[in-house]
Amino acid sequence: NAGVTQTPKFQVLKTGQSMTLQCAQDMNHEYMSWYRQDPGMGLRLIHYSVGAGITDQGEVPNGYNVSRSTTEDFPLRLLSAAPSQTSVYFCASKGGTDQFFGPGTRLTVL
Amino acid sequence: AQSVTQLGSHVSVSEGALVLLRCNYSSSVPPYLFWYVQYPNQGLQLLLKYTSAATLVKGINGFEAEFKKSETSFHLTKPSAHMSDAAEYFCAVSESGGSYIPTFGRGTSLIVHP
Repeated sequence: NAGVTQTPKFQVLKTGQSMTLQCAQDMNHEYMSWYRQDPGMGLRLIHYSVGAGITDQGEVPNGYNVSRSTTEDFPLRLLSAAPSQTSVYFCASKGGTDQFFGPGTRLTVL
Repeated sequence: AQSVTQLGSHVSVSEGALVLLRCNYSSSVPPYLFWYVQYPNQGLQLLLKYTSAATLVKGINGFEAEFKKSETSFHLTKPSAHMSDAAEYFCAVSESGGSYIPTFGRGTSLIVHP
């Protein structure tokens, strides 16, 4: 049972480049979410999904796209990266009332 | 609507001293409350949670928190700090019932001095 996995661990992009942050869970959880963590800002919700085919926006969705084709996977896409998207990104899945977090992806946009 | 306020972005204690990290919440419905810990360069790990059972909740590593409805608080305590407790701590609130989407506080960095 790997829990929540994220790839890559680190990524450097140039402004305007696109990329996909991968997230997978093997706990058969319906609810998954993406957060970004910035110093002094805590965790802010980007997008979330309550099941395959169902996604919704969180607090800071601009510049990010998501889709949920399977229960296991919930990728986060940056279509045109901006320096303001430099952050640490966490994926989480929820079973019952408990959220389980992945190890994070540290993204730098130059 | 729900929100969380963590008082103090940094708390510094000596090893062996009491740890007190403050969290106040706002929720329009009965809340679920959580404390998470984040060690450097790692993800968040659940320390403890309140989900409308006992108001005094015990978690891992000797931490506990008490839900006080009248004060809308859920402060985290530990009687004796250890060097290994140095980490970032996050309080979160979600609404009982519904989709349980949690809102996180801004975090408190616990510094433990020898």
